[in-house]
Amino acid sequence: KAGVTQTPRYLIKTRGQQVTLSCSPISGHRSVSWYQQTPGQGLQFLFEYFSETQRNKGNFPGRFSGRQFSNSRSEMNVSTLELGDSALYLCASSSGAQGDTIYFGEGSWLTVV
Amino acid sequence: AQSVTQPDIHITVSEGASLELRCNYSYGATPYLFWYVQSPGQGLQLLLKYFSGDTLVQGIKGFEAEFKRSQSSFNLRKPSVHWSDAAEYFCAVVVNTGFQKLVFGTGTRLLVSP
Repeated sequence: KAGVTQTPRYLIKTRGQQVTLSCSPISGHRSVSWYQQTPGQGLQFLFEYFSETQRNKGNFPGRFSGRQFSNSRSEMNVSTLELGDSALYLCASSSGAQGDTIYFGEGSWLTVV
Repeated sequence: AQSVTQPDIHITVSEGASLELRCNYSYGATPYLFWYVQSPGQGLQLLLKYFSGDTLVQGIKGFEAEFKRSQSSFNLRKPSVHWSDAAEYFCAVVVNTGFQKLVFGTGTRLLVSP
């Protein structure tokens, strides 16, 4: 059974640009959530989608957005990139049921220059 | 607000020695607790989880953790550390079981000395 797949793994963007990251969850999983990891702030929750609906959102500016497709694949978008957006972005998937295990992908490393 | 505290930023253990990583949580209801491990440049790998039932849970790679409600703790242990265990370890709690949101501790970096 394939794990959580994130693309691209590495990317470099310039300030002011936008970026889209993609996540394919484990087959059968309907919940996809996104986390940002930085040395200063640690692991922070961005948002969670379940069956194409955003169920919860973390404390991030509106430049951070996401969506989920009918096949449960998810994308997150960051517009007007800032240097501080440089981070590892991790996608996680689960069935969405209470108490289910949450599995993470390898992450997408974003560097903003 | 729910929170997770990992008081040790770094821990150095000799290969073959035992290991205990501390985790304390703040959560009103019965928590769903996880330990994840992250090797450099990699994502998070689940070591073990606690949802209910037995307070001592077994995980992968020889790790175990004990849930102690009275102490609000979920410490990770391993009887004999291997050099390949060097990594960063994160304790996390699921908050509001209506959706999947993890609150993480700040992590403990484990160094293994020969």
